[in-house]
Amino acid sequence: GQQVMQIPQYQHVQEGEDFTTYCNSSTTLSNIQWYKQRPGGHPVFLIQLVKSGEVKKQKRLTFQFGEAKKNSSLHITATQTTDVGTYFCAQASKIIFGSGTRLSIRP
Amino acid sequence: DGGITQSPKYLFRKEGQNVTLSCEQNLNHDAMYWYRQDPGQGLRLIYYSQIVNDFQKGDIAEGYSVSREKKESFPLTVTSAQKNPTAFYLCASTRDRDAGNTIYFGEGSWLTVV
Repeated sequence: GQQVMQIPQYQHVQEGEDFTTYCNSSTTLSNIQWYKQRPGGHPVFLIQLVKSGEVKKQKRLTFQFGEAKKNSSLHITATQTTDVGTYFCAQASKIIFGSGTRLSIRP
Repeated sequence: DGGITQSPKYLFRKEGQNVTLSCEQNLNHDAMYWYRQDPGQGLRLIYYSQIVNDFQKGDIAEGYSVSREKKESFPLTVTSAQKNPTAFYLCASTRDRDAGNTIYFGEGSWLTVV
């Protein structure tokens, strides 16, 4: 079946360093969504990408959708302790989630 | 406030017992979903429902059952047939099952088998 692979599984960074998580699909995606789950919490919607090559920014977060619409990335510039959590990509049309990337930060 | 309410937040079950997790939404959403999340893992789809009185199995439906008698309610029963039920259970909803709808989650229910 269709899968959405996400890497890396874990990332531990020093506060202030950048962080990137990647999402890859075996097939073309109609759109992709990103969610953040704080430790002990529930996933919360961050953004949706629809167009090929689309780039969207939310403050220190930059989201990209690949030209072929088979991959996406989330980049956080100058991480802060509030960025701690697990970041999931999701293929919204089939409600399929990637395995998530857990971000931890050294103060 | 509009949202999804899950209860109970924490639940302990003895082996061999069935338990039912409640999920209620007042968002007037047609589609509802149940996910299971094991520690440090991703979300796995158990069941989903696109409309009242209809539901479909997800990737890990064995040992679980659901009902959708009302639009706002989608309870999940974890039966004794589920061999490893200890996990975090998340209920979610979308306006409908079309692509592009934001997925709203409840706060989750922690189930522990003792």
